[in-house]
Amino acid sequence: QSALTQPPSASGSPGQSVTISCTGTSSDIGGYNYVSWYQQHPGKAPKVMIFEVTTRPSGVPHRFSGSKSGNTASLTVSGLQAEDEADYYCSSYAGSNIWVFGGGTKLTVL
Amino acid sequence: EVQLLESGGGLVQPGGSLRLSCAASGFTFSNYAMSWVRQAPGKGLEWISGIGDSGAVTSSADSVKGRFTISRDNSKNTLYLQMNSLRAEDTAVYYCATRWSYCFNSWGQGTLVTVSS
Repeated sequence: QSALTQPPSASGSPGQSVTISCTGTSSDIGGYNYVSWYQQHPGKAPKVMIFEVTTRPSGVPHRFSGSKSGNTASLTVSGLQAEDEADYYCSSYAGSNIWVFGGGTKLTVL
Repeated sequence: EVQLLESGGGLVQPGGSLRLSCAASGFTFSNYAMSWVRQAPGKGLEWISGIGDSGAVTSSADSVKGRFTISRDNSKNTLYLQMNSLRAEDTAVYYCATRWSYCFNSWGQGTLVTVSS
């Protein structure tokens, strides 16, 4: 049950696109199409932004998109806006009713 | 509107016990699997335990296995986490969350547990 690996930080200017990676193993990300992404603003509860690798819940802007290749998943935020500045966490199902999270990435909008 | 309200957090000495509760409303609680996720101060999220919709199936992370027990009472729309043999490294905000389609789609606001002498 090792944590998924995310870069500690990412940044971009308003209007630009930024991609955050999340690397796991064949036992989690590579083995299932059950990667989800969460946005967390300071002092707030996390909010799901993407589930099942690419699916956006109702109400999440189309600017947010997800993908996966092998053992690595990615979250792309296009057309960055100031309110996108937050911490982002990936998560994956790891089999046997176990889930793992990434260490988190702090996204800064310059 | 889905609402999850955690309670039961507080200050406890190392080796002590605490029981967290999560009161659910605004949805059919018995239809949803549930999980507890924690976040140590300034750190990332950690999934620690999950339970199926009926309560028959439970699972836990290695970090809490044998010390923490998840349970639910569908008649009271409430999720529980019994925490025993608490350690300093268990200090965190504890969130309850609904689990649907292998993701955590609704979260409470969390309750802080501090383990210190």
